[in-house]
Amino acid sequence: EIVLTQSPATLSLSPGERATLSCRASQSVSSYLAWYQQKPGQAPRLLIYDASNRATGIPARFSGSGSGTDFTLTISSLEPEDFAVYYCQQRSDWPPFTFGPGTKVDIK
Amino acid sequence: QVQLVESGGGVVQPGRSLRLSCAASGFTFSSHGMHWVRQTPGKGLEWVAVISYDGRNEYYADSVKGRFTISRDNSKNTLFLQMNSLRTEDTAVYFCAKESRLGAVTGYFDYWGQGTLVTVSS
Repeated sequence: EIVLTQSPATLSLSPGERATLSCRASQSVSSYLAWYQQKPGQAPRLLIYDASNRATGIPARFSGSGSGTDFTLTISSLEPEDFAVYYCQQRSDWPPFTFGPGTKVDIK
Repeated sequence: QVQLVESGGGVVQPGRSLRLSCAASGFTFSSHGMHWVRQTPGKGLEWVAVISYDGRNEYYADSVKGRFTISRDNSKNTLFLQMNSLRTEDTAVYFCAKESRLGAVTGYFDYWGQGTLVTVSS
């Protein structure tokens, strides 16, 4: 089973700042990695798939990069609605599909 | 617009059974694979099972294999999860989620329901 680790666990930033979130896989997942955003009491929302492709309706301030075992989600300028928990997920080797433990982006 | 509405959650004793449903609308249900994903405060998000668009193929997480069964009724646009021999560690919010692409299972979930809480406790 591929294990995903995310860092940092919590990121404290102010609106307008740049957020950089990391996801590392225990073995190569090629580019088969997605990022999701989850707000309290809501379901996760797909942001990025195949490492760098934005899902439908996702603003351009969200971008993804990486391949193999190291991936990054960047939010270029944080909006108030971006404070949430972000998860990475791999589909390279399944079952199972696996998720990382999440990075919480909170307001500084 | 795509809507996924789960139901069937509740409180159940260990060893008992529960059946979850997910009513889908706003897309061609019979053309997409469907998943169940669960979430607990301690273990985060955990993928549970997937069923292919035509119901012919099913895959499960090891933690539920042999106890849970995923199924679908394409005539009623409904997904199911039959959960037997429930354990305390199955306590979670259960989400149904739609495959992002037509046809084959790709493992990206582009729409999710709001979830239904299952609590396994004596």
